[in-house]
Amino acid sequence: GENVEQHPSTLSVQEGDSAVIKCTYSDSASNYFPWYKQELGKGPQLIIDIRSNVGEKKDQRIAVTLNKTAKHFSLHITETQPEDSAVYFCAATLNNAGNMLTFGGGTRLMVKP
Amino acid sequence: EAGVVQSPRYKIIEKKQPVAFWCNPISGHNTLYWYRQNLGQGPELLIRYENEEAVDDSQLPKDRFSAERLKGVDSTLKIQPAELGDSAVYLCASRDGQRASMNTEAFFGQGTRLTVV
Repeated sequence: GENVEQHPSTLSVQEGDSAVIKCTYSDSASNYFPWYKQELGKGPQLIIDIRSNVGEKKDQRIAVTLNKTAKHFSLHITETQPEDSAVYFCAATLNNAGNMLTFGGGTRLMVKP
Repeated sequence: EAGVVQSPRYKIIEKKQPVAFWCNPISGHNTLYWYRQNLGQGPELLIRYENEEAVDDSQLPKDRFSAERLKGVDSTLKIQPAELGDSAVYLCASRDGQRASMNTEAFFGQGTRLTVV
C-alpha cells in the first residue's frame, strides 16, 4: 500500500517569512495529492491539491510542486501570517481507488508575530 | 449548505463499554469515509462506503469495530468493547464520488474525540 512521509514535524517561522513542507510517497501509481490544514478542535480542511499531470499549482500565497520521478511533493506558503498557524497534512491517493487518502504524519506550523 | 456533521463532539467512557459515533454527510455525497486520528498523527482510513455498500473495510478491526450506512446517507461507527488504545479522534468525511472523472474533494467533519479510561 501507499506510504507517505512528511517533514518537518514542526516548523516555526517569523511572520512574513516563507514556509516549506515536504512529502514523499511510495506508490508510483498515486495520482492525486491534496494538502489539508487542521486547526485545533476541527477537522482537516483542503487548502490546495495537485494532480499527477501537473508539476506546479499556485493559489495566492500557497503553492504546491510535484516531482513524479522522485515521488516528492511540497507545500510552499509565502508571506506567512499568524492565522496560518495550524497542523498541515499532505496526502496521496489513486483516484480510481475511491480517493482513499493516505496521510503524512503532519507538520505543526507556528508563525510568530 | 451544511458540512459534514458528526456527533457527539466528545465522549468519555470506561474500558469495555460500548460507544457509537454518528455522521451525516453532505447532501448528495455518495461516498463516505471513517478515519481514525491518533494524537499527533495523520488520519488513517478505517472504512469507505459507496452509497450503502462498504467497499473497503480492510483497515477496520472487525473484532470490536462495526459500521453501517443502512440507507446510504447517515452512518454510524461502533466500538464494542472499547479498549484504552481506542482513544483517538474519529473523523467522518464525504465526497461526491459520482463525478468519477475528477479527483473531487473529500470534506471532513469536526470529529468525535473519544477518551477511554
